[in-house]
Amino acid sequence: AQSVTQPDIHITVSEGASLELRCNYSYGATPYLFWYVQSPGQGLQLLLKYFSGDTLVQGIKGFEAEFKRSQSSFNLRKPSVHWSDAAEYFCAVGTITGANNLFFGTGTRLTVIP
Amino acid sequence: NAGVTQTPKFRILKIGQSMTLQCTQDMNHNYMYWYRQDPGMGLKLIYYSVGAGITDKGEVPNGYNVSRSTTEDFPLRLELAAPSQTSVYFCASSDRDRGVNEQFFGPGTRLTVL
Repeated sequence: AQSVTQPDIHITVSEGASLELRCNYSYGATPYLFWYVQSPGQGLQLLLKYFSGDTLVQGIKGFEAEFKRSQSSFNLRKPSVHWSDAAEYFCAVGTITGANNLFFGTGTRLTVIP
Repeated sequence: NAGVTQTPKFRILKIGQSMTLQCTQDMNHNYMYWYRQDPGMGLKLIYYSVGAGITDKGEVPNGYNVSRSTTEDFPLRLELAAPSQTSVYFCASSDRDRGVNEQFFGPGTRLTVL
């Protein structure tokens, strides 16, 4: 069965510092991986996605993620965090069978301090 | 495009009351989904639809019903509200014709059952 683990519930970083959010997945076939961001009181917005090809994918707002099959990981990174990046971040794995369903991790809440 | 719209934004129900959460998308997407988001639990799939007239259960369907009479609309019905249904509900849609693809989310409905 598919599952996603985000081991960090809450992370606090200083503005300008680098960021890495961890995501580990479990899926028997080729994974389709996503990172979404949710600002307070808002819906989810796609940051980036990995389907195949280059294992380092670039997304919006200066985010990138690296797919590592050997570690079953898809960690999200940003070299310099801005105060506006404070939000909840969700990793998800998608299935090509069925209805294109997504399985979400429990999320990581990011706090940015000045 | 308005994308995915949901109404209402907020609602308080008494135990045993019923209500319908509305969801409309204007992107002509085949697939639509309903999720609930509980604190610290990520998003859980309630129901999904692969096209007009076709619906299926997700991970947590008990206490809910859906219908899909048109491509655009995918309402979620709560027949006998219970405190356990207090949550934030998100509707999403995706375009399956392009393979596994991102889901586009609405802004959510915050429901409290007292």
